Parts: sequence; C-alpha cells; structure tokens
Amino acid sequence: QVQLVQSGAEVKKPGASVKVSCKASGYTFTDYYIQWVRQAPGQGLEWMGWIDPNSGGTNYPQKFQGRVTMTRDTSINTASMELNGLRSDDTAMYYCARGGLGSASCYGCRAFDIWGQGTTVAVSS
Amino acid sequence: DIQMTQSPSSLSASVGDRVTVTCRASQSISTYLNWYQQKSGEVPNLLIYAASSLRGGVPSRFSGSGSGTDFTLTISSLQPEDVATYYCQQSYSSPLTFGQGTKVEIK
Repeated sequence: QVQLVQSGAEVKKPGASVKVSCKASGYTFTDYYIQWVRQAPGQGLEWMGWIDPNSGGTNYPQKFQGRVTMTRDTSINTASMELNGLRSDDTAMYYCARGGLGSASCYGCRAFDIWGQGTTVAVSS
Repeated sequence: DIQMTQSPSSLSASVGDRVTVTCRASQSISTYLNWYQQKSGEVPNLLIYAASSLRGGVPSRFSGSGSGTDFTLTISSLQPEDVATYYCQQSYSSPLTFGQGTKVEIK
C-alpha cells in the first residue's frame, strides 16, 4: 500500500542538527512532491517546505530559510529534512506528507493525502 | 503570507447534531482550500480538498463549501468518532498555511 515511513525519535542538544528521513513505498516516488510539516506539543500544524523528488528542487518558507535543508535519494525512494541550529522551540513532532490530491495553483501546492507516522524531535540541554 | 482564521476555536455538540466550522482567508484563494482531521495522538488525515471534494473513503456526513475567502466544513450528523481537531489549509500560494484548528467534542 501507499505509505511513508519516517525515522525514529531524536533527542538533541541546543545548537545541534537533526536529520529526519521519510521512505516512500507503493507509488512512484518521483511523481509527487514531499512536504514537511511540524507540530509543537499542544499546538497547530506548521508547514516547513517541500522537495520535488524528480528534480531535487526545494521551497522553504522564510522562517526556515538558512536553517533547513531538504534532500532526496531516488535510489532508495527516501526524502530527508535536516534542521540546523536547534532551539528548545524546535521540539515538535515532524511529519512528511505526500502532496497528491487536487489541482495545483503553484508548484508543490496540492493537498497532503498521505502522511508519515511522525518523528518526535526533543531539544533539551 | 495568507493568514487562515478558523472559528470557533472549540465547540461541543451532541451526537447527531449538525456541526459547522468556518475558515476565513486573508485574501482570495479561489477554491484552493483543504480540510484535515487530527484525532488525539494521531497523524492528520485529509478529509476534503479543493474546498468541496470529498476524499475517497471519507464518510459522506462530511462536506465542504466556499470559495474566495470564506469556507465551511460541515458534519451533518456528529458521531463519537468525529471527536478531533480540524484544520483548514490554503494551497493557493506559498507559503502554505494552516488555520489554528477547531477542536470538536461531544457534549
């Protein structure tokens, strides 16, 4: 079946980096953008950007520019998100999702139809 | 950036009630509006895309409407399994943005 499986929980110190992976299966990996979304404890959903697995192109909101890097490895159908300079307010559940439904008014702008199970990232000294 | 504002922030209704959640965009987004359901401790799940298209497998008691800046999610007959937080999201332009969420509970 179509699914995204993420890497396991991480505990990091402030200032460190974290890399979360997202392995796709059940569909053609390069046909759909991969989105990244995070959710701080008890808070709402925050979009972190997307990667086009076909071209490797990325788009990050200004808030994360310079601190986030999204990559992909098409040989293993895996996308990754690396966040640098971790702070305590980066403590959150991080999700990858497939942008798979609806027409797109802009690159990467389709509804998120398949989600990974989430990866907890805790930042604490 | 396009701001998405949901109302109410939370609501409590009885089983069988008709429930409506509203989402307002800070500028016109045509019908590029999606709704997600997130049950406690679970992953978000897409319910409706393009304002009114029901995703396959989603119960027909869920419906969406609206265009431009004003949108609604309606649950025609609230069921216990609908207890969740609902988020709208605009997919009109980058950065993609979500509403703050509406928590739906059973009275």
